[in-house]
Amino acid sequence: NAGVTQTPKFQVLKTGQSMTLQCAQDMNHNSMYWYRQDPGMGLRLIYYSASEGTTDKGEVPNGYNVSRLNKREFSLRLESAAPSQTSVYFCASSVSGELFFGEGSRLTVL
Amino acid sequence: AQSVTQPDIHITVSEGASLELRCNYSYGATPYLFWYVQSPGQGLQLLLKYFSGDTLVQGIKGFEAEFKRSQSSFNLRKPSVHWSDAAEYFCAAASPPRLVFGAGTILRVKS
Repeated sequence: NAGVTQTPKFQVLKTGQSMTLQCAQDMNHNSMYWYRQDPGMGLRLIYYSASEGTTDKGEVPNGYNVSRLNKREFSLRLESAAPSQTSVYFCASSVSGELFFGEGSRLTVL
Repeated sequence: AQSVTQPDIHITVSEGASLELRCNYSYGATPYLFWYVQSPGQGLQLLLKYFSGDTLVQGIKGFEAEFKRSQSSFNLRKPSVHWSDAAEYFCAAASPPRLVFGAGTILRVKS
């Protein structure tokens, strides 16, 4: 009964380092999403994938790349991390517009 | 641009009092509408959703929301708040597959 699984849950990076956040869902949903959550700003959409093989920019895509590896997996990559990317990242999958969230990944960039 | 606005950053209510959290959306057509709740350090839990039909929607934990097309609003209500309702509440709107959130309203409950 895993739902949406994100890894890692915590990560500390130095400015300029790269990393990939992994996300997998086992609900056979077509759509998957990456959001970041910052105090007072709610959840902002970084990228989404409506279906396997497609990705689209959200509200705040700069500094990020994504890969929809297959129907289950949707990864988020930071090529050169910046302190402004310190945040909590949530992956989600969707059916009929309703989102199902992972537990979040807390990323700190020093 | 599509957007969701929650005008109140913080709201404090007394335990047992009624609650209304405001949400307004700006979309070309009526989107799907949602309310989520997040307790500290936790993920988001869906309270209720509106797709079409009856404009008064019942959700979990005694919450309800009313869709008003003329006001582009989807306000969340609860008749009697419990201390365990203290959390952050997010309104969201979707024109699938894209879903955007409001900035959230932090609810504090005083005894």
